[in-house]
Amino acid sequence: QVQLQESGPGLVKPSETLSLTCTVSGGSISSYYWSWIRQPAGKGLEWIGRIHPSGSTNYKPSLKSRVTMSGDTSKNQLSLKLSSVTAADTAVYYCARNRMGPSGEYFDYWGQGMLVTVSS
Amino acid sequence: DIQMTQSPSSLSASVGDRVTITCRASQSISSYLNWYQQKPGKAPKLLIYAASSLQSGVPSRFSGSGAGTDFTLTISSLQPEDFATYYCQQTYSTPLTFGQGTKLEIK
Repeated sequence: QVQLQESGPGLVKPSETLSLTCTVSGGSISSYYWSWIRQPAGKGLEWIGRIHPSGSTNYKPSLKSRVTMSGDTSKNQLSLKLSSVTAADTAVYYCARNRMGPSGEYFDYWGQGMLVTVSS
Repeated sequence: DIQMTQSPSSLSASVGDRVTITCRASQSISSYLNWYQQKPGKAPKLLIYAASSLQSGVPSRFSGSGAGTDFTLTISSLQPEDFATYYCQQTYSTPLTFGQGTKLEIK
């Protein structure tokens, strides 16, 4: 059974860089795309971007200048970095596995989510 | 970006009811449409992918239909565990986008 677990600081100061790790167990990260999604409290889901460990990435344009995603196949981990954060970046952050199919892709496994608060 | 609009935004229903949630895309997305269920404090769970394919392990009372711009999620007979928020998602083009959610509450 594939399991995903987000980890990292739960509190980040404004203007600093949010850094999260997603550790995957029960399967290799090498064969799939992986996405990061966030959800402000009481609001909807926002896709941040996706990465394939081969290096291919796609970022949401409005976040592209601040986002970096990477993967470490030796540790079976994914990483998200979001720079110059503001209070608007406060949210629960999820990592998820992208399953690619003939009629699009879908997120079949999700981490439990990690609340990141941006505050001084 | 492709905008996804769900209706209604909230819905009250009773156990045993048949419920339909609608999702409309701002442009044609073929069948590149997924549905997720989210309960409070939990990650979303995939219900339906490619508009009408039932994810493994999801009860058959859930079904999806539609193509192009208009899609529906139907729950044939509501069970107590179905009260949650439902989201549609398009994967026709990046950025991938979600609807705003439909909160299904107990009447």
